[in-house]
Amino acid sequence: GAVVSQHPSWVICKSGTSVKIECRSLDFQATTMFWYRQFPKQSLMLMATSNEGSKATYEQGVEKDKFLINHASLTLSTLTVTSAHPEDSSFYICSASGSGGANEQFFGPGTRLTVL
Amino acid sequence: GEDVEQSLFLSVREGDSSVINCTYTDSSSTYLYWYKQEPGAGLQLLTYIFSNMDMKQDQRLTVLLNKKDKHLSLRIADTQTGDSAIYFCAESMYNSGYALNFGKGTSLLVTP
Repeated sequence: GAVVSQHPSWVICKSGTSVKIECRSLDFQATTMFWYRQFPKQSLMLMATSNEGSKATYEQGVEKDKFLINHASLTLSTLTVTSAHPEDSSFYICSASGSGGANEQFFGPGTRLTVL
Repeated sequence: GEDVEQSLFLSVREGDSSVINCTYTDSSSTYLYWYKQEPGAGLQLLTYIFSNMDMKQDQRLTVLLNKKDKHLSLRIADTQTGDSAIYFCAESMYNSGYALNFGKGTSLLVTP
């Protein structure tokens, strides 16, 4: 099946620093990538949808200047959490679609961000 | 999106069947999905059902869809301890480029 990777799998950073998370589709071209956020024991909440070569579409309540998304190629999307604060600590999961039927999305393993 | 509702917790004995229920919101969803998440891990697609179907069986998994009531269920036959995980139902959101709207997840605990 299609594989999506994320890097890093976990990161700890100081408050005020920026963190970049990469999402790659390894064996297919992803026309659309999605970024979700999951708090402990909560559901996944969609943050934004990105299509290759165009600006991301953010969900209501998600600050686009804080969560910068770049989808520069059909296999790579990045999420940069700028000036991170402790409340940004969360599990960030990306997914990619483009190869299968059923509008199928393939999920990355997630990135655990802890901001001290 | 609006809330996709699931019961939060289910406990069953090994070998029994598990039934996880979900109520979704978007009647225009083309596909409905069940995902499994083990602790600290990403999501694994278990199965999905097309909205014009009312049942789909895949080995130990049976999905039932009642489109009129917007009700989806996942039955796991002969549940094993390795099935212990959180199960999310999700609907595709046409207006968000088919992004998924997830329920809060049902924690399934399988006891020996």
